[in-house]
Amino acid sequence: QKEVEQNSGPLSVPEGAIASLNCTYSDRVSQSFFWYRQYSGKSPELIMSIYSNGDKEDGRFTAQLNKASQYVSLLIRDSQPSDSATYLCAVIRGSNYKLTFGKGTLLTVNP
Amino acid sequence: EAGVVQSPRYKIIEKKQPVAFWCNPISGHNTLYWYLQNLGQGPELLIRYENEEAVDDSQLPKDRFSAERLKGVDSTLKIQPAELGDSAVYLCASSLGGDSYNEQFFGPGTRLTVL
Repeated sequence: QKEVEQNSGPLSVPEGAIASLNCTYSDRVSQSFFWYRQYSGKSPELIMSIYSNGDKEDGRFTAQLNKASQYVSLLIRDSQPSDSATYLCAVIRGSNYKLTFGKGTLLTVNP
Repeated sequence: EAGVVQSPRYKIIEKKQPVAFWCNPISGHNTLYWYLQNLGQGPELLIRYENEEAVDDSQLPKDRFSAERLKGVDSTLKIQPAELGDSAVYLCASSLGGDSYNEQFFGPGTRLTVL
């Protein structure tokens, strides 16, 4: 089982819809969870961090964490074509504080 | 606030040649990371520095890769000699500290092509 798993997509949604991106992780002692957005040819850009169970909202973005189910998700409300990118889920576990990334989910928002 | 700076942005070399990448972290960030990203994959950690000390270099291929952060600010990652399989994007990131709650911010990366 991979440490961090994401559906590679592509996930296609119409403009204005809610995009839902999912991530599961294998290590129960994982402590911190991050979502990065990566445009083609660019570097990852941090958009959300979440550390405790529940929801965390920032503008159009909501991160959801369920440690019992080892599941973290990102919701993007009112999706815009500019949201089209690869979304990377990343997890920190243990004392080495290393970010372990999933392969990313490609999101396409259609005008 | 200026972000993480990396140079060069692109590098094309022939195999067996040496290559070096430079990184300047966000001001005040004590922790610096070098990651490697292959196409279609997430970044993978090569080495992590806390100030001048390399505290995690377990993923660094030490036969050909080396890194330094002499004054606890700028860092250089070197490959000698480069191999075809080293073609990838090399990303530098920094954070305020090295614990699990410190968010990591990435530079623009150096895209290396080995011919």
